[in-house]
Amino acid sequence: QSPLTQPASVSGSPGQSITISCTGTSSDVGAYNYVSWYQHHPDRAPKLILYDISQRPSGVSDRFSGSKSGNTASLTISGLQPEDESDYYCCSYAGGSTEVFGTGTKVTV
Amino acid sequence: EVKFVQSGSELRRPGESLKISCETSGYNFPNYWIVWVRQMPGKGLEWMGIIYPGDSDVRYSPSFAGQVTMSADRSISTAFLQWESLEASDTAIYYCARARSSFGFYFDFWGQGTVVTVSS
Repeated sequence: QSPLTQPASVSGSPGQSITISCTGTSSDVGAYNYVSWYQHHPDRAPKLILYDISQRPSGVSDRFSGSKSGNTASLTISGLQPEDESDYYCCSYAGGSTEVFGTGTKVTV
Repeated sequence: EVKFVQSGSELRRPGESLKISCETSGYNFPNYWIVWVRQMPGKGLEWMGIIYPGDSDVRYSPSFAGQVTMSADRSISTAFLQWESLEASDTAIYYCARARSSFGFYFDFWGQGTVVTVSS
């Protein structure tokens, strides 16, 4: 299983919107609608921000939204805030009760 | 309140064995999968494998099969990750998390991570 491909870094100004892509294959992202996204500040536990492509857990801001087209899933952060500066990882079901993470994206605000 | 508390940092020499733990509370431990995730220094998250404490069913990533062993003790609501013979390349932070399943998995509660350092 190869990691899903994400851009190494994305930046934006406060208030802007940014989109992070997550590209896999027809065996993972393209085959299933089970992509989740995690925010990971260094030295902290990762935090779930989206699951099943676009579902937000309770307590997660609606500034985070998700979508998928073909083999690529996307995370959009609207109204960028300084506290959004973090690493972001996608994760997709890959069949056989296994999952694969993306390469990670560093968001700079 | 759901809590995941992982065992403390470990320093080991190459060739030594190690077992780290992930103690859970606040939910029905046997009924949810537990995932283990590795983060090597300066690198991203890697999905290692997943265990269902209810029947100890384990699914390993091909990259980790044969390299580690996952287990769980329902009597103490704790999951374990162990190595028989560590290598320097096992130096990493290891996270456990609860896996919710809607066919695929997503990970809603995480431990704080265990830092494992393997050095001679």
